[in-house]
Parts: sequence; structure tokens; C-alpha cells
Amino acid sequence: AAGVIQSPRHLIKEKRETATLKCYPIPRHDTVYWYQQGPGQDPQFLISFYEKMQSDKGSIPDRFSAQQFSDYHSELNMSSLELGDSALYFCASSRPLAFSGTGELFFGEGSRLTVL
Amino acid sequence: KQEVTQIPAALSVPEGENLVLNCSFTDSAIYNLQWFRQDPGKGLTSLLLIQSSQREQTSGRLNASLDKSSGRSTLYIAASQPGDSATYLCAVVSNFGNEKLTFGTGTRLTIIP
Repeated sequence: AAGVIQSPRHLIKEKRETATLKCYPIPRHDTVYWYQQGPGQDPQFLISFYEKMQSDKGSIPDRFSAQQFSDYHSELNMSSLELGDSALYFCASSRPLAFSGTGELFFGEGSRLTVL
Repeated sequence: KQEVTQIPAALSVPEGENLVLNCSFTDSAIYNLQWFRQDPGKGLTSLLLIQSSQREQTSGRLNASLDKSSGRSTLYIAASQPGDSATYLCAVVSNFGNEKLTFGTGTRLTIIP
């Protein structure tokens, strides 16, 4: 079965550089979520999109932005990178409860960002 | 604001033992609860999903229970194996219409051969 695809799997950047992470949800899943997991931490919600519109916003820095495209894939753009941005970034997808979904979120393998 | 707590933070048990991991949440008005497994530096593998109307779910050697009114869930692992060593995270969905998960702090499980 198709899963959530994230790319790249690993990314190394210098401070103050820009990074872009991509997420391809499971087919027919119209909701995408981004999470950040720092070393030894639990995943923290960043932002979510439903039908290409931002549906919720968590602890996402102003230096970060994201969008969902017409094919439902999503991109997380991170600028002016800081050392503290080094983390695992997860994308998850789901079908909303309101549309016969179970509310179950399916996660990708994550993108590991290292900022030097 | 929903807060999810898992106790203990770490647990070591000999192989073959049955064990229970605990999860508690402050707002009992949840829509579902998911248990995940995470190996070091790896992604999140969904183990079990319990809908708010359900009391438990089973998959193989795993059984998860939900007591919504008391804000608790447990994950029972039978006949533990070294391959079960991982961090186990519980997470809840609190809002209908925006099913983001709020994660617990995780329990790092080590099964001793």
C-alpha cells in the first residue's frame, strides 16, 4: 500500500541557509500535517493543511512557511536556519473525520535536517 | 490545552515478560487515540488506533485500552521480545475537523535478552 513519502530523507545545511522539505500524502488523503521532533523530544505540531488551505498552526517559527499544492503534496520552507532547527521533520496525512475518515494519521519516514 | 503524559519515561524488562505502558491525557473530550512505535532516529509506526467509542483494540501481542472518562490509555505487550525495544508514543486527537495529534512524552522500552 502507498505510504506517505518525504524527501529528502537527510539534509545538511549551514546556518542562515534555506531548506525545503517535501511531502507526498497517501492517495485520497486531503489533509497534511507537519511535525518537528528535536533530539529526545516528542513530535511537536507545526502546521496543517486541508484542501490546500491552512487549517491549523502550531509552534511554527515565522522563518518557516508551508503550503499545499493542487496535487495535495506539501512543502515546508525553512529560511535563516539556526542550529536549533536541527531535527526530524515528519509529515503525516489523513482523511478528515468529517469525510468518513477514521482520524488516523499516517506518518512518513521523516526528513532529518542537520544545521551546522 | 490538551496535555498527554506517559509514565514511566523508561522501562527495562526481561524477555518474555508481559508489560503495560501508561498514557494519560488532561482533556477527556478526545476523538481517538493512537499508539506509535519509534526506533531510534526512525519514523513513527502506527500500532493501534482506538476510536473514542471503543474500549480496546488488539493487534497480535499488543492490546490497547481506553478509558476516556478517566483520561487514560494503556498499551499491553504480551510475551515481550528484544525486537520490541523502542520508544512508544501515545497521541490523541482532540478536535473534530482538524485531526492533529497531540503526542505524549514517550516511554523508552528496553527488553533484556
